[in-house]
Amino acid sequence: EAQVTQNPRYLITVTGKKLTVTCSQNMNHEYMSWYRQDPGLGLRQIYYSMNVEVTDKGDVPEGYKVSRKEKRNFPLILESPSPNQTSLYFCASSLRELRELFFGEGSRLTVL
Amino acid sequence: GDSVTQMEGPVTLSEEAFLTINCTYTATGYPSLFWYVQYPGEGLQLLLKATKADDKGSNKGFEATYRKETTSFHLEKGSVQVSDSAVYFCALKDTGGFKTIFGAGTRLFVKA
Repeated sequence: EAQVTQNPRYLITVTGKKLTVTCSQNMNHEYMSWYRQDPGLGLRQIYYSMNVEVTDKGDVPEGYKVSRKEKRNFPLILESPSPNQTSLYFCASSLRELRELFFGEGSRLTVL
Repeated sequence: GDSVTQMEGPVTLSEEAFLTINCTYTATGYPSLFWYVQYPGEGLQLLLKATKADDKGSNKGFEATYRKETTSFHLEKGSVQVSDSAVYFCALKDTGGFKTIFGAGTRLFVKA
């Protein structure tokens, strides 16, 4: 089954404790992206990657890092989480020829 | 820069009512336009799309027409069901790029 898988789905952590949210897709998509969803703000792009070893900042990259060492994986790293990073995070991917995004189920992160 | 504006919610309707969710956009060039739907506790999924002016996207009884003259892509359904209760996002993808820009989302409640 074609899918985008994120882990963990839910996480409660404390300020400053490094964490990684993993994202994996099995559709051989070149493009992958991370979004955060906050009430009233819709989805805002954090980082994206157009292919292996090619990443770029989105609209709200501060406090986040990413890497793309393999085509299927695109982890989101919070080196020192802060409470303003409490949010619902979505990973998405797409094929170059297709236009639409395929989303994971989301990861709800709470930073205390 | 490119942007998407959609009507604020929540929208509350009775079953079998007519639905319109307004969406307008600002973009250079000829973007592709999308409606995504997010059911409770799930990630976003593509509902319908249109890639050029005057195209009509349709799926599951929902329709939207790409109107370049009014820069709009309004979502309509003739008779909503309780199962249509969800958050609906209008989005555009810029010409030749990978960036997808989302509106803030409109929550729809359908009462039996």
